[in-house]
Amino acid sequence: KQEVTQIPAALSVPEGENLVLNCSFTDSAIYNLQWFRQDPGKGLTSLLLIQSSQREQTSGRLNASLDKSSGRSTLYIAASQPGDSATYLCAVRMAGGFKTIFGAGTRLFVKA
Amino acid sequence: DTEVTQTPKHLVMGMTNKKSLKCEQHMGHRAMYWYKQKAKKPPELMFVYSYEKLSINESVPSRFSPECPNSSLLNLHLHALQPEDSALYLCASSHPRAGRDTEAFFGQGTRLTVV
Repeated sequence: KQEVTQIPAALSVPEGENLVLNCSFTDSAIYNLQWFRQDPGKGLTSLLLIQSSQREQTSGRLNASLDKSSGRSTLYIAASQPGDSATYLCAVRMAGGFKTIFGAGTRLFVKA
Repeated sequence: DTEVTQTPKHLVMGMTNKKSLKCEQHMGHRAMYWYKQKAKKPPELMFVYSYEKLSINESVPSRFSPECPNSSLLNLHLHALQPEDSALYLCASSHPRAGRDTEAFFGQGTRLTVV
């Protein structure tokens, strides 16, 4: 059974810091991995999608990497801003279907 | 347009009521999903429709009944719910393609309270 773990569960950093969020999964038979952010009480906003054959994706200040064989993904946020404060979720789509498992998320707080 | 629209945004219903949640997308996506999210927990997959056919039912109680009338619309019919069904219900869509799938886009959710 696929398990998705995100570390740390919560993170507080001063504005301007670069930071790394971690996501690990136990079953490497994945289709893709997607990073989302969620503001309190709101829906999910897609940040980056990495297909299983890819190693990295970048969008603006965000960079996500995927090492399928070791079951790890990281989300790198450069020059963090208070507006980045949110919960960040990684979601793993299993191969062969639509089943998607989410990690519990990392709650990020960027202090001005 | 990368928008998934859910209505209503908030819903309060009694345990004997029947109500429906609606979800709409116009991105041409052919896979649509319902998720349930409790406070401070990750979303949990409930149902998936692919090309208007039910593809996944994650052993959801029959008091939740999904419907996909066409490729743009997804409904979730609610009947005889329990207070523990109170949660944020999220709809998502994506487009399956040979060998890969597009990113999933989520709506803003319906905050459901069962009293």
